Amino acid sequence: TQLLEQSPQFLSIQEGENLTVYCNSSSVFSSLQWYRQEPGEGPVLLVTVVTGGEVKKLKRLTFQFGDARKDSSLHITAAQPGDTGLYLCAGERSGGSNYKLTFGKGTLLTVNP
Amino acid sequence: DAMVIQNPRYQVTQFGKPVTLSCSQTLNHNVMYWYQQKSSQAPKLLFHYYDKDFNNEADTPDNFQSRRPNTSFCFLDIRSPGLGDAAMYLCATSLYPGLSTDTQYFGPGTRLTVL
Repeated sequence: TQLLEQSPQFLSIQEGENLTVYCNSSSVFSSLQWYRQEPGEGPVLLVTVVTGGEVKKLKRLTFQFGDARKDSSLHITAAQPGDTGLYLCAGERSGGSNYKLTFGKGTLLTVNP
Repeated sequence: DAMVIQNPRYQVTQFGKPVTLSCSQTLNHNVMYWYQQKSSQAPKLLFHYYDKDFNNEADTPDNFQSRRPNTSFCFLDIRSPGLGDAAMYLCATSLYPGLSTDTQYFGPGTRLTVL
């Protein structure tokens, strides 16, 4: 059972376009993290969202946590080739003894010059 | 800078020949995790140590073992690598799992090739 549905799985766009990646679940998460991973490297944390309805901005990236803490989105404005990579959302379940992150399957983004 | 370090970055082994991957951290985090990641897929948790307590995932093959001799180091041992074990192996750490503000920090990974 995939607890975190991430979409789209693949996305190829031109430089300058905007895009949104979605991460959805029927489960409540105490926090949700977004990572970007470049080929041959480990995932690098972009942001952690904790509060329902929270919006965080990181330059051209905007992250939102759903009010019910079951979903999240990542919006990139004016994408650049340097944004290319695998974007992973990962949620930590409510209920403190569970130390595991649940990962989405990832969105492989290619930004063409 | 505090970080998670993995050695080697690339490892080639032969079918059936034991291999050990290494992870160290300067973050002084309580928990160390090992993940397996195959091409363009999400990382899959193999096991983790909370301090000295070992926690194995139910579907992790017996072929995979781990050791954590101290807070800073954690090792992944693959006793008899098969072709299907070729993957990127990621180490991660976190300080206080279960806290909503806890975050996992990943190392750069070790790419394992099995010939």
